[in-house]
Parts: sequence; structure tokens; C-alpha cells
Amino acid sequence: GNSVTQMEGPVTLSEEAFLTINCTYTATGYPSLFWYVQYPGEGLQLLLKATKADDKGSNKGFEATYRKETTSFHLEKGSVQVSDSAVYFCALGTDDKIIFGKGTRLHILP
Amino acid sequence: NAGVMQNPRHLVRRRGQEARLRCSPMKGHSHVYWYRQLPEEGLKFMVYLQKENIIDESGMPKERFSAEFPKEGPSILRIQQVVRGDSAAYFCASSGDSSYNEQFFGPGTRLTVL
Repeated sequence: GNSVTQMEGPVTLSEEAFLTINCTYTATGYPSLFWYVQYPGEGLQLLLKATKADDKGSNKGFEATYRKETTSFHLEKGSVQVSDSAVYFCALGTDDKIIFGKGTRLHILP
Repeated sequence: NAGVMQNPRHLVRRRGQEARLRCSPMKGHSHVYWYRQLPEEGLKFMVYLQKENIIDESGMPKERFSAEFPKEGPSILRIQQVVRGDSAAYFCASSGDSSYNEQFFGPGTRLTVL
């Protein structure tokens, strides 16, 4: 079946550090891949997405590349800020639903 | 251009009472999804509805939970005879087509059962 596995948190980094949050997936067919972010007390917001192999999604300095050969969609940012502290969810979309990973909590220290 | 609206934002119920959670999808969206998020956990899919139809309810508990999305008005998630274990954040999302596009999430309803 379809599933998403992402690295467990919490991840704690200093401001301006490089961020990687790993995400791998198992899917039949050709899913879309997403990263969502949830700030404290809020709902999820789409951060970026990719709809086919080798696509790169990017937004707010975050990037992720759809790698079919490694079934991965790792999230990266070159220089994190305190305001990036949140929970990040990797997800895959099939015909009728989105399947979410368990989320990775990110803490950025000033 | 209003996003997905959910109300109430916070709901407190005593054990045995009923909880009704409402979701108005984004304008033009006809697909609605409900998710439950327990503290420190990810999102669990509950149900997927289109107007007047339940498409997938594989994540819904067999008893006490029901959902509808009538032709007019918001989608409703109804929990009868609530128990403490129902305390969670319930999120609604909507999409204009299938999940190949994206789902837009509401702010959630935080249910507390005393």
C-alpha cells in the first residue's frame, strides 16, 4: 500500500544552519508529493509540491526534489530562521486521498 | 477569497454529549476531507466526501462518528456520546478536484472532552 516515512523529531538547529528533513515513500502509480507546514495552534499549510519525477518544488527558501529512483522527497533549506520553527509533514497524493507522514518538529534556536 | 472555514475553533463537551463540527470548503471546492490529529501525532485520515456522497470512510470509527456534506451548507462531522479519547484537533480540508492537486486546510476545531 501507499505510505510515507519521514525522519523523527524533534530536530533542533541554530539559526542560519542547513536543514534536511528526510522523507521516503512507497506508492503504486505516480503520486504527487507535498510538504506541509503546521505552525503552533494552526492548520496545515502547503509549503511546496512536485507532481512528477525530477520536479523540484520550492517556496520560502525551502526545496525538495521528487526522486523516483530513490523514492524520496527530502526537504532542504540553506539557512533556517527562528520563524521556521514548526512541524513539517511530508505527504503523497493519489487519486482520492493524501497520505501524511507523522510529522517532524523543528526547533530553531536564535 | 475566503479559505476553508471551520467552526467552532474550540469545543468543550462532557462525556456522553454530542459534538458537531462544521466545515465550509473553499469557494468552488466540492471535495471535503476530515482528519484527526492527536497530541504530538500526525494526521489520521477519517473520511472523504463530495456533495451528498461519502466517497471513502475507511478512517472513521465504526460507532458514534458520522459525516455528511449536504447539497447546501457546510460539511458536518458528528460525534455522538463523546468520550475522553475523542479529545483531539479535527481538521477539514477541501480540494477542487482530486488530491493530485492540493488540499487546503482549515484552522481546525480543538475538541476537549471533560
